[in-house]
Amino acid sequence: GNSVTQMEGPVTLSEEAFLTINCTYTATGYPSLFWYVQYPGEGLQLLLKATKADDKGSNKGFEATYRKETTSFHLEKGSVQVSDSAVYFCALSAGDYKLSFGAGTTVTVRA
Amino acid sequence: DTGVSQDPRHKITKRGQNVTFRCDPISEHNRLYWYRQTLGQGPEFLTYFQNEAQLEKSRLLSDRFSAERPKGSFSTLEIQRTEQGDSAMYLCASSLGSGGINEQFFGPGTRLTVL
Repeated sequence: GNSVTQMEGPVTLSEEAFLTINCTYTATGYPSLFWYVQYPGEGLQLLLKATKADDKGSNKGFEATYRKETTSFHLEKGSVQVSDSAVYFCALSAGDYKLSFGAGTTVTVRA
Repeated sequence: DTGVSQDPRHKITKRGQNVTFRCDPISEHNRLYWYRQTLGQGPEFLTYFQNEAQLEKSRLLSDRFSAERPKGSFSTLEIQRTEQGDSAMYLCASSLGSGGINEQFFGPGTRLTVL
Protein backbone atom coordinates (compact mmCIF):
# COMPACT_ATOMS: atom_id res chain seq x y z
CA GLY A 1 0.00 0.00 0.00
CA ASN A 2 0.90 3.66 -0.05
CA SER A 3 2.79 5.11 2.89
CA VAL A 4 4.81 8.13 3.92
CA THR A 5 7.64 8.21 6.42
CA GLN A 6 8.86 11.53 7.69
CA MET A 7 11.51 12.67 10.10
CA GLU A 8 10.50 12.42 13.70
CA GLY A 9 10.41 15.55 15.78
CA PRO A 10 10.24 17.67 17.59
CA VAL A 11 12.70 19.97 15.89
CA THR A 12 13.83 23.13 17.66
CA LEU A 13 15.76 25.80 15.78
CA SER A 14 16.94 29.34 16.23
CA GLU A 15 15.63 32.08 13.96
CA GLU A 16 17.46 32.28 10.61
CA ALA A 17 18.62 28.67 10.87
CA PHE A 18 18.32 26.20 7.98
CA LEU A 19 15.46 23.71 8.20
CA THR A 20 15.25 20.28 6.58
CA ILE A 21 12.48 17.76 7.19
CA ASN A 22 13.02 14.43 5.51
CA CYS A 23 10.17 12.59 3.80
CA THR A 24 10.25 9.32 1.91
CA TYR A 25 7.36 7.46 0.37
CA THR A 26 6.19 4.11 -0.91
CA ALA A 27 3.53 4.10 -3.61
CA THR A 28 2.33 2.30 -6.67
CA GLY A 29 2.41 4.28 -9.86
CA TYR A 30 3.34 7.92 -9.92
CA PRO A 31 1.95 9.78 -6.92
CA SER A 32 1.50 13.47 -6.40
CA LEU A 33 3.39 14.71 -3.35
CA PHE A 34 2.41 17.42 -0.89
CA TRP A 35 3.55 19.23 2.21
CA TYR A 36 0.78 20.46 4.50
CA VAL A 37 1.31 22.75 7.48
CA GLN A 38 -0.76 23.11 10.63
CA TYR A 39 -0.15 26.31 12.58
CA PRO A 40 -1.17 26.38 16.26
CA GLY A 41 -4.94 26.48 16.58
CA GLU A 42 -5.53 26.32 12.83
CA GLY A 43 -6.51 23.72 10.25
CA LEU A 44 -4.27 21.97 7.75
CA GLN A 45 -3.09 24.17 4.90
CA LEU A 46 -1.39 23.11 1.71
CA LEU A 47 2.16 24.47 1.73
CA LEU A 48 3.47 23.15 -1.58
CA LYS A 49 3.05 20.32 -4.06
CA ALA A 50 4.76 18.45 -6.90
CA THR A 51 3.17 16.12 -9.40
CA LYS A 52 6.02 14.47 -11.29
CA ALA A 53 9.65 13.53 -10.96
CA ASP A 54 12.11 16.43 -10.64
CA ASP A 55 9.30 18.94 -10.06
CA LYS A 56 10.13 21.49 -7.39
CA GLY A 57 7.33 22.85 -5.26
CA SER A 58 7.89 26.15 -3.49
CA ASN A 59 5.97 28.55 -1.29
CA LYS A 60 6.74 31.03 1.51
CA GLY A 61 10.47 30.34 1.17
CA PHE A 62 9.98 26.56 1.52
CA GLU A 63 11.05 24.17 -1.24
CA ALA A 64 10.79 20.46 -1.91
CA THR A 65 11.92 18.46 -4.94
CA TYR A 66 10.21 15.27 -6.10
CA ARG A 67 13.01 12.68 -6.31
CA LYS A 68 11.74 9.50 -7.90
CA GLU A 69 15.09 7.72 -7.73
CA THR A 70 15.24 8.07 -3.95
CA THR A 71 11.43 8.19 -3.43
CA SER A 72 11.88 11.35 -1.41
CA PHE A 73 10.32 14.79 -1.04
CA HIS A 74 12.38 16.59 1.59
CA LEU A 75 11.21 20.01 2.79
CA GLU A 76 13.78 22.80 3.13
CA LYS A 77 13.88 26.44 4.13
CA GLY A 78 17.04 28.48 4.19
CA SER A 79 16.19 30.90 7.00
CA VAL A 80 13.32 30.12 9.35
CA GLN A 81 11.30 32.63 11.32
CA VAL A 82 9.38 32.31 14.57
CA SER A 83 6.19 32.35 12.50
CA ASP A 84 7.26 29.06 10.86
CA SER A 85 6.62 27.23 14.13
CA ALA A 86 4.05 24.59 13.21
CA VAL A 87 3.47 20.92 12.53
CA TYR A 88 4.48 19.86 9.01
CA PHE A 89 2.95 16.85 7.25
CA CYS A 90 4.23 15.11 4.13
CA ALA A 91 1.49 13.44 2.09
CA LEU A 92 0.91 11.62 -1.17
CA SER A 93 -2.00 10.95 -3.47
CA ALA A 94 -1.57 8.00 -5.79
CA GLY A 95 -4.40 8.39 -8.22
CA ASP A 96 -7.13 7.20 -5.90
CA TYR A 97 -7.73 10.69 -4.56
CA LYS A 98 -7.29 10.01 -0.86
CA LEU A 99 -4.23 11.44 0.83
CA SER A 100 -1.82 9.30 2.81
CA PHE A 101 -0.03 11.35 5.46
CA GLY A 102 3.14 10.98 7.45
CA ALA A 103 3.02 11.30 11.22
CA GLY A 104 3.97 14.98 11.20
CA THR A 105 7.02 16.87 12.42
CA THR A 106 6.67 19.59 15.04
CA VAL A 107 8.96 22.54 14.40
CA THR A 108 9.62 25.22 17.00
CA VAL A 109 11.63 28.30 16.06
CA ARG A 110 13.11 30.35 18.89
CA ALA A 111 13.76 34.07 18.59
CA ASP B 1 -14.04 33.53 3.79
CA THR B 2 -15.72 30.61 1.97
CA GLY B 3 -13.44 27.81 3.12
CA VAL B 4 -14.46 24.44 4.51
CA SER B 5 -16.42 24.73 7.74
CA GLN B 6 -17.14 22.11 10.37
CA ASP B 7 -19.58 22.03 13.23
CA PRO B 8 -19.24 21.61 16.12
CA ARG B 9 -15.58 22.41 16.76
CA HIS B 10 -15.58 20.42 19.99
CA LYS B 11 -17.80 17.63 21.25
CA ILE B 12 -17.63 15.86 24.59
CA THR B 13 -19.84 12.83 25.00
CA LYS B 14 -20.24 9.81 27.20
CA ARG B 15 -19.42 6.34 26.01
CA GLY B 16 -22.38 4.73 24.28
CA GLN B 17 -23.93 7.98 23.04
CA ASN B 18 -24.39 8.84 19.37
CA VAL B 19 -22.77 11.93 17.87
CA THR B 20 -23.12 13.66 14.50
CA PHE B 21 -20.73 16.08 12.86
CA ARG B 22 -21.39 18.37 9.94
CA CYS B 23 -19.08 19.55 7.16
CA ASP B 24 -19.79 22.30 4.64
CA PRO B 25 -17.33 22.14 1.75
CA ILE B 26 -16.23 24.93 -0.54
CA SER B 27 -19.31 25.55 -2.64
CA GLU B 28 -18.00 24.59 -6.07
CA HIS B 29 -16.16 21.48 -4.87
CA ASN B 30 -17.75 18.18 -5.85
CA ARG B 31 -15.46 15.94 -3.81
CA LEU B 32 -15.60 15.64 -0.05
CA TYR B 33 -13.40 13.61 2.29
CA TRP B 34 -13.42 12.65 5.94
CA TYR B 35 -10.22 11.93 7.86
CA ARG B 36 -9.47 11.09 11.47
CA GLN B 37 -6.40 12.37 13.31
CA THR B 38 -5.25 11.09 16.66
CA LEU B 39 -2.67 12.81 18.84
CA GLY B 40 0.80 12.71 17.38
CA GLN B 41 -0.29 11.13 14.12
CA GLY B 42 -1.13 12.31 10.66
CA PRO B 43 -4.70 12.26 9.37
CA GLU B 44 -6.05 8.87 8.27
CA PHE B 45 -8.55 8.55 5.45
CA LEU B 46 -12.07 7.47 6.40
CA THR B 47 -14.32 8.01 3.40
CA TYR B 48 -14.81 9.96 0.20
CA PHE B 49 -17.77 11.35 -1.75
CA GLN B 50 -18.04 12.50 -5.29
CA ASN B 51 -21.18 14.59 -5.38
CA GLU B 52 -23.71 12.56 -3.36
CA ALA B 53 -22.12 9.17 -4.06
CA GLN B 54 -19.93 7.60 -1.39
CA LEU B 55 -17.19 6.02 -3.50
CA GLU B 56 -14.75 4.66 -0.96
CA LYS B 57 -14.74 3.67 2.70
CA SER B 58 -11.69 2.80 4.73
CA ARG B 59 -11.62 -0.34 6.84
CA LEU B 60 -11.19 2.11 9.74
CA LEU B 61 -14.85 3.00 9.24
CA SER B 62 -16.59 0.37 11.33
CA ASP B 63 -20.32 -0.29 11.09
CA ARG B 64 -20.85 2.21 13.92
CA PHE B 65 -19.80 4.97 11.54
CA SER B 66 -22.00 6.30 8.77
CA ALA B 67 -21.52 9.25 6.46
CA GLU B 68 -23.91 10.93 4.10
CA ARG B 69 -23.83 13.72 1.62
CA PRO B 70 -27.39 14.41 0.53
CA LYS B 71 -27.73 16.44 -2.64
CA GLY B 72 -23.97 16.58 -2.97
CA SER B 73 -23.59 19.60 -0.71
CA PHE B 74 -22.87 19.35 3.04
CA SER B 75 -21.95 16.06 4.65
CA THR B 76 -22.61 14.46 8.02
CA LEU B 77 -20.57 11.87 9.87
CA GLU B 78 -22.42 9.94 12.57
CA ILE B 79 -20.83 7.70 15.16
CA GLN B 80 -23.18 5.39 17.02
CA ARG B 81 -22.48 3.89 20.44
CA THR B 82 -19.28 5.88 20.84
CA GLU B 83 -16.26 4.25 22.42
CA GLN B 84 -13.26 5.88 24.11
CA GLY B 85 -11.15 4.84 21.16
CA ASP B 86 -13.23 7.13 18.95
CA SER B 87 -11.70 10.16 20.67
CA ALA B 88 -9.87 12.04 17.92
CA MET B 89 -9.98 15.06 15.64
CA TYR B 90 -12.32 14.49 12.70
CA LEU B 91 -11.29 16.45 9.64
CA CYS B 92 -13.27 17.24 6.53
CA ALA B 93 -11.72 18.28 3.24
CA SER B 94 -13.03 19.13 -0.19
CA SER B 95 -11.59 19.36 -3.68
CA LEU B 96 -12.61 20.18 -7.19
CA GLY B 97 -12.67 16.90 -9.05
CA SER B 98 -11.75 17.78 -12.58
CA GLY B 99 -8.78 15.50 -12.96
CA GLY B 100 -5.23 16.57 -12.39
CA ILE B 101 -3.82 17.40 -8.99
CA ASN B 102 -5.88 16.33 -6.04
CA GLU B 103 -5.54 19.53 -4.00
CA GLN B 104 -7.65 19.15 -0.91
CA PHE B 105 -8.73 22.03 1.32
CA PHE B 106 -9.27 21.18 4.95
CA GLY B 107 -11.68 22.45 7.56
CA PRO B 108 -10.68 23.25 11.16
CA GLY B 109 -11.86 19.87 12.42
CA THR B 110 -14.18 18.61 15.14
CA ARG B 111 -12.45 17.38 18.27
CA LEU B 112 -14.35 14.50 19.85
CA THR B 113 -13.74 13.43 23.42
CA VAL B 114 -15.49 10.29 24.63
CA LEU B 115 -15.58 9.96 28.41
